[in-house]
Amino acid sequence: AQSVSQHNHHVILSEAASLELGCNYSYGGTVNLFWYVQYPGQHLQLLLKYFSGDPLVKGIKGFEAEFIKSKFSFNLRKPSVQWSDTAEYFCAVNGGNAGNMLTFGGGTRLMVKP
Amino acid sequence: ETGVTQSPTHLIKTRGQQVTLRCSSQSGHNTVSWYQQALGQGPQFIFQYYREEENGRGNFPPRFSGLQFPNYSSELNVNALELDDSALYLCASSPPNGGGNEQFFGPGTRLTVL
Repeated sequence: AQSVSQHNHHVILSEAASLELGCNYSYGGTVNLFWYVQYPGQHLQLLLKYFSGDPLVKGIKGFEAEFIKSKFSFNLRKPSVQWSDTAEYFCAVNGGNAGNMLTFGGGTRLMVKP
Repeated sequence: ETGVTQSPTHLIKTRGQQVTLRCSSQSGHNTVSWYQQALGQGPQFIFQYYREEENGRGNFPPRFSGLQFPNYSSELNVNALELDDSALYLCASSPPNGGGNEQFFGPGTRLTVL
């Protein structure tokens, strides 16, 4: 079965700091990778996705993620965070024998101090 | 374009009761998935419906059941409610050409079981 680990449960940063959130998955076959964001009081929104091709993926709001197959990782980055990035971030994977089922990590709650 | 909608937004039930949650998929989307998100955790896949048939199921007991209608809307039914069923229930829809890989989430229904 697939599993997804997000190592940072809570992250607190000051505005303009750089962000990197870790994500590792267990499945070794062909996978699709996603980062979703949940702003306070809002529904899950897709930040970015990786299906194939360039392992460096750019998403909305200045976020990017790098797929490193050898490390089973898909870490999320942003060079300079803003107060409005305060949210919960979820890494998710599907594909292989799990089909279209999305397996989510436990989430990382990011707080950006103004 | 109307996004995924869910009803009701909040619901309170007691142990042993039954509940039905509803989801309208985004326009043009024919696949619907349901997820359970317990407090402080990532969403967990319950099941997926495609062309009115169950198309994959997560590790949930049979008292969790669903339906998909010809207009692609869907219901999630939970019988014999338990306290641990208290959670946010998310519906996600997928477009036909995406093969279910990219899922668009609704705002969720928060179920409290007393």
